[in-house]
This record gives sequence, C-alpha cells and structure tokens, in this order.
Amino acid sequence: DQQVKQNSPSLSVQEGRISILNCDYTNSMFDYFLWYKKYPAEGPTFLISISSIKDKNEDGRFTVFLNKSAKHLSLHIVPSQPGDSAVYFCAASLPYSGAGSYQLTFGKGTKLSVIP
Amino acid sequence: DAGVTQSPTHLIKTRGQQVTLRCSPKSGHDTVSWYQQALGQGPQFIFQYYEEEERQRGNFPDRFSGHQFPNYSSELNVNALLLGDSALYLCASIRRAGSYNSPLHFGNGTRLTVT
Repeated sequence: DQQVKQNSPSLSVQEGRISILNCDYTNSMFDYFLWYKKYPAEGPTFLISISSIKDKNEDGRFTVFLNKSAKHLSLHIVPSQPGDSAVYFCAASLPYSGAGSYQLTFGKGTKLSVIP
Repeated sequence: DAGVTQSPTHLIKTRGQQVTLRCSPKSGHDTVSWYQQALGQGPQFIFQYYEEEERQRGNFPDRFSGHQFPNYSSELNVNALLLGDSALYLCASIRRAGSYNSPLHFGNGTRLTVT
C-alpha cells in the first residue's frame, strides 16, 4: 500500500514555461513534506520542503503548495530550464518522536524533461 | 565540506553471497539511514542508526543488518543475496539535534547487481 503517490511517471515541458509536479498521500499523520531531485548516477538532492502548518513555501524558481484537506502537494518550477531535467521524488515524514525516529516515505518519482 | 560518501560505487555479486556497503556521513552529522531503490521505484527505508544502535527499521528481512561506528560511519550488510536484492543502495545522514523538519542528505549510492 503506497502511502505517497506520484501518478505521473513523466512530464515534458518547454523551456521557460511552468512545470507542475503532483503528489498525493494517504497517511494524514504525515507532517513534513520534501521534494528531492535526482540525476542519473547521483543520489537524491534536497530541493524544497514544507511543514504541515504551512500551505506554501517558495525558494527562488521553486514553490511547493500543500493542500492538507485533499492530501495533495505540488511543486511548481517557474521558469523551467533544461538543467531541471531530472527525476523528482516527493517524500513525507511522520512527526518526530525522538532520536533515530526520522524516516522518509517516497513516491515513485516523476521524470521531468525540459525541452529547449 | 564533504557530503555523504559511499563505497564502492558498483558491485557485482552472485546469489547466496554476502556483501558489505560502506558510508561516511556528512561532516557534523551523527545519524545514518540506509535506503534501497529498486529500478523504477522510490527509495525505501531499510533502517536508521544513532549512537551505534539500530533505532528504527523498515520492512526488510533479517538478512539486512548494519553497524554504526564511533566516528558515525556505517556499514550495511546483506547476507544470502537474492536476485531481488539488485538495487541502488543509498546512505543518508542528518544531525540528530537539528533533525526536526530538516532534510536528509544522501550519498550517490552503491549500485549492487546480483547474478
């Protein structure tokens, strides 16, 4: 039973346009959400995160939106650049409960291709 | 500032063999986690080590075991390898004291192929 779902395996966007990547989750206890970017032959790199007490967080070209009632989050990239082409993973964590308790539950990823 | 480093980068083993993967956490980090990423899937949590003890474990059999050393580095051991163990194994680290609502930092992984 997948608790974090990314239903679009791939997405193609023209350079300069907006990329919107979506993520749904089923566990209402998740309270911290992250997006990671992964290039081939590299490990996931942290991109942006949001706490469940917020509904929006921005960092430069990247914005994450959280809709708790719908159990949905999205990552917006504006404007998209060819260097953004990578696999994007959505991840979630439960509330912190002490040392060593922190684990992330990941979606399967969405492969973003930004076309020049 | 060195990030998370893993060795080796690639490994080929035969079914039934045992393997040991190694990880050095990011400077200043004291908590290490291991994740398995199968082809076409997202990373799956194996276990997390803090103060040289396994603190939390995902849904993986006892064939998967680990260790954390006093310098915070860690090893992942897999016994009696199966073809299905072929995957990218990722190590991640964090500083426990600041871990609330902080991201994990990942290494580049070890690509394990079991034949």
